[in-house]
Amino acid sequence: RKEVEQDPGPFNVPEGATVAFNCTYSNSASQSFFWYRQDCRKEPKLLMSVYSSGNEDGRFTAQLNRASQYISLLIRDSKLSDSATYLCVVRGNFNKFYFGSGTKLNVKP
Amino acid sequence: GAVVSQHPSRVICKSGTSVKIECRSLDFQATTMFWYRQFPKKSLMLMATSNEGSKATYEQGVEKDKFLINHASLTLSTLTVTSAHPEDSSFYICSASGASGYTDTQYFGPGTRLTVL
Repeated sequence: RKEVEQDPGPFNVPEGATVAFNCTYSNSASQSFFWYRQDCRKEPKLLMSVYSSGNEDGRFTAQLNRASQYISLLIRDSKLSDSATYLCVVRGNFNKFYFGSGTKLNVKP
Repeated sequence: GAVVSQHPSRVICKSGTSVKIECRSLDFQATTMFWYRQFPKKSLMLMATSNEGSKATYEQGVEKDKFLINHASLTLSTLTVTSAHPEDSSFYICSASGASGYTDTQYFGPGTRLTVL
């Protein structure tokens, strides 16, 4: 079983839609959680950290459910510029990071 | 803050040559640096993890004699692809992680696109 699993998508949504991605992780001792976005032929960029209480940054909301071992990312009012691959990243012990394979989002006009 | 640079951004070389890629953390001290490779439309693949002043830890299947990693200071790590072959053509990305902290994460360099002819 992979450490971090994501639905690869693609998620094809119209502009203005709300879309949500989930990601599950296998190690209950995981310490920190993050969402990155990666544009085609570019490096991943940190989108937001995910805190236990949930956190919001503009149109983006991230939540963590430790009991069920999943994190989620909600994007409201999707923009064309949100089209990218979203990577779920989990930090475990000894500064070891585990990356999901990414969920591809296509926002259509 | 948390800027990581990578040089060169693109390199084209002949088969059999060696290529060195530099990764620098510009505004923080990187206790750990990571090297990844990514093929088109594929996921990031971790190649190795390096801690400043110690030997790199390579992932299974990655040849340490072919991909030489040096992390001589808290702001610089280098990856040397020795005797490059066309199958080594890929997008190489480094990332850096700072001192321990709850929200500590990885910050990526812009990547190096290697083409071996």
